[in-house]
This record gives sequence, C-alpha cells and structure tokens, in this order.
Amino acid sequence: QKEVEQDPGPLSVPEGAIVSLNCTYSNSAFQYFMWYRQYSRKGPELLMYTYSSGNKEDGRFTAQVDKSSKYISLFIRDSQPSDSATYLCAMSGSEKLVFGKGTKLTVNP
Amino acid sequence: GAVVSQHPSWVICKSGTSVKIECRSLDFQATTMFWYRQFPKQSLMLMATSNEGSKATYEQGVEKDKFLINHASLTLSTLTVTSAHPEDSSFYICSARPKETQYFGPGTRLLVL
Repeated sequence: QKEVEQDPGPLSVPEGAIVSLNCTYSNSAFQYFMWYRQYSRKGPELLMYTYSSGNKEDGRFTAQVDKSSKYISLFIRDSQPSDSATYLCAMSGSEKLVFGKGTKLTVNP
Repeated sequence: GAVVSQHPSWVICKSGTSVKIECRSLDFQATTMFWYRQFPKQSLMLMATSNEGSKATYEQGVEKDKFLINHASLTLSTLTVTSAHPEDSSFYICSARPKETQYFGPGTRLLVL
C-alpha cells in the first residue's frame, strides 16, 4: 500500500460546479496536510495548509482533514476555467513531504 | 505567501556539459531546501534535502556525484547536474520551508541534446 493515494483523474466539470478532490494515506504520523495547485510547466503553488484534523476555508476553497479515517479533501466551489490544473495533496510528519500523484482537473466554460 | 525563485527557467545544453540551477528564497531565510525532479504527467520525486552549511542528504537511487548540491547561505541553494546526458532531461523544482510547509520555485526545464 502506498503512503498516499490520490485518484489521478482526469476530472472534467462544467463551470460553476462544486469539485471534490480526495486523498487517503496510511501513515498515522502525518500531522501537516497541504494542497498544491500546479499549472502545466510551472512549479506547485500552495493552496491550503492544515495542521491535524479539522476544516479550513479560504475563499472558494475548503480543506478537510479526518485523521481518524486517514482521509483529506479539497472542495472548490463555483469552479472557474482558471481552476483547470493538476491538484496535488501532500503531507508530512516532520520534514519531508509525501505527495499524491495529483488529480488533473478541467473546468469547461 | 513566501516566494521562491529559480534560475534559469529553462536551459538547453549539449551532452557532457554541466548545468547549474539556482534556488533562492526571496523573503525569508531557509535552513532547509529541497530539490525535486518531475517527469511529464508524473508527481514530484524528491532528489535531495539541502541543509545550509552542511552536506546534502540524497534520496536512495540519486547519484550524489552527478547531482551536486551546495547550500552556501540561508537564501541560496544550487544544484549542478554534472556531465549531463539526455536521460537527465527533466523539470527540476526546488522548494524551501520557512516553517512546516514548503513553498516551491517555478521550476527549471532542462533539455540535454
């Protein structure tokens, strides 16, 4: 079993849809959970950062962490074509980040 | 958020030459920086952890003599790909961490002919 599992998609939604992206993990030592957005040929951009369990909201983005289920989610409300990118979940216990494979999202106008 | 820059953004070189990539944290000091490579449609692969003032820690399977890392200051780490070959062609990305998370540079695309 891989440390972090993420459905690679691709995921295609119409503009305005609510998007749900998810990752599961196996290492109970993970405490820091992040979501990155990566456009083609660019470095990853930090979207959301959560410590331990709980929810965090920033504009149209909501990150959820459920440590009991080892499951994290990113919700995007009112999705826009500019949200089209690959979304990477990442997590760590101390120093190194462990990434999911990324989910490619396309938001169609 | 914290800003990390990389230079150059892309480079084309002949097989056998060496290429140096710079990674800078612009608005914070980073005792630790990380170097990744990414192949098309794949996730990031950690190559090494760069610590200011000490030797880098390389991941299993990464040749330390081929990928030389120097972290001479709290805002600068360099990756030198020595005697580059076509199989070294990839997207190289650095990151730096002010606290628990990491901020990434824009990446350097290397093409070895």
